[in-house]
Order: sequence, then C-alpha cells, then structure tokens
Amino acid sequence: DQQVKQNSPSLSVQEGRISILNCDYTNSMFDYFLWYKKYPAEGPTFLISISSIKDKNEDGRFTVFLNKSAKHLSLHIVPSQPGDSAVYFCAASAYGNDMRFGAGTRLTVKP
Amino acid sequence: GAGVSQSPSNKVTEKGKDVELRCDPISGHTALYWYRQSLGQGLEFLIYFQGNSAPDKSGLPSDRFSAERTGGSVSTLTIQRTQQEDSAVYLCASRRAGGENYGYTFGSGTRLTVV
Repeated sequence: DQQVKQNSPSLSVQEGRISILNCDYTNSMFDYFLWYKKYPAEGPTFLISISSIKDKNEDGRFTVFLNKSAKHLSLHIVPSQPGDSAVYFCAASAYGNDMRFGAGTRLTVKP
Repeated sequence: GAGVSQSPSNKVTEKGKDVELRCDPISGHTALYWYRQSLGQGLEFLIYFQGNSAPDKSGLPSDRFSAERTGGSVSTLTIQRTQQEDSAVYLCASRRAGGENYGYTFGSGTRLTVV
C-alpha cells in the first residue's frame, strides 16, 4: 500500500537549470509533507517541508509546491548545482504520526 | 550525542542466524522510528516508538522482526532466523515531541547482508 509515490526513479539536468521533482499521495489525511535528501552511505537529511495549509514554501534555491486537490507536490531547485546530485525522498505524515516515504528520485546535475 | 548513532554500520550474517541492530537517538528526542531501504526501493516504515506509549508495530514485515526501546532512549531491532530478503539498509530516526516541522534526524544506517 504505497501512499506516497515518486514515479520518476531518476532525473538528469544541466547545471544552472531547474530541477523539478514530483510526488503524488493518496491519503487525504496527510497534513504535513517533507523532502529529504540522501547521499550514498549516509542517512536522509531534512531539506524542506510544507504544511497542508500552505501551497508554497521557499528556502533559498529550494521551493516546494503543494496542490491538495490533485494530491501532488513538487520540489523545485533553481539553479541546480552538481552538489545537489543525490536521491530525493518525498514524505508525508498525518497529525505528526509516522512518515510515509516515496521510493525516491535520483537527481544527477551535470556540470 | 549530536546525532543519531547506529551500530554496526555493516553486518554480514548467515541465513538463519539472528541479528541485533542498535540505535542511539538524539538525547531528549521522544520519538524513534525504524525504516528499511531494500535495493532499489524507497524507505519502508517498520516501527515507531513515542514516549511511554505502546509502539506502532504495523510496519513489521513478519513475526521474525521485533524491537525494543529501553528507558525511552536506546532501541534495538532484532531479526530472528534471517532470510536473504532481509538484506537492506536499516535506518533509525528520532525527533523531539512537537517541533516546528516534524523533521526527523536519521542515522547513517546499518547495511545488513544475509548470505
């Protein structure tokens, strides 16, 4: 029962361009959404989050957009840098309970 | 400590043996989670401890898996009679109660290989 889906296993973009990572969810009870970044041999690290009462949250080069009616969120990275190359996980939780993660998208930013 | 510590970082075990994986959460974090990531898969929820409440074990894949959290701090995940499909990276995460963003802090994981 995969409640959080990341349908693109990989994404490749050129340095300086925009990276857009997508995520869909099925559980309408989710009220908090997060993106995590994971480098090889390390645990995921928190990147950015958004509450269901908002539709956009921005932090530097990272912006998360939430479309509740479509049960869809996306992470935009502008401009993309080679150091952004990592696996990005989308996650969602309902009322602060356990988070459910997507399968991840491997982002490669080419110099 | 400053972060979530997991040990061992790598474990190779023979099929049928029992293994114990350890997690030291951040001091003061009341919530502790175990996830696993199998090759090519996302993060799969296993179990969740919150304070003194009964743990949420809904993600444990079989009765060979169990976990304890002693004294509200250190947690041990035990896998009995390991199978090859148990091979994965087991990740522990902790967070403090409430908090601004529900963000978890993850450890670096234990890579378990069952041969």
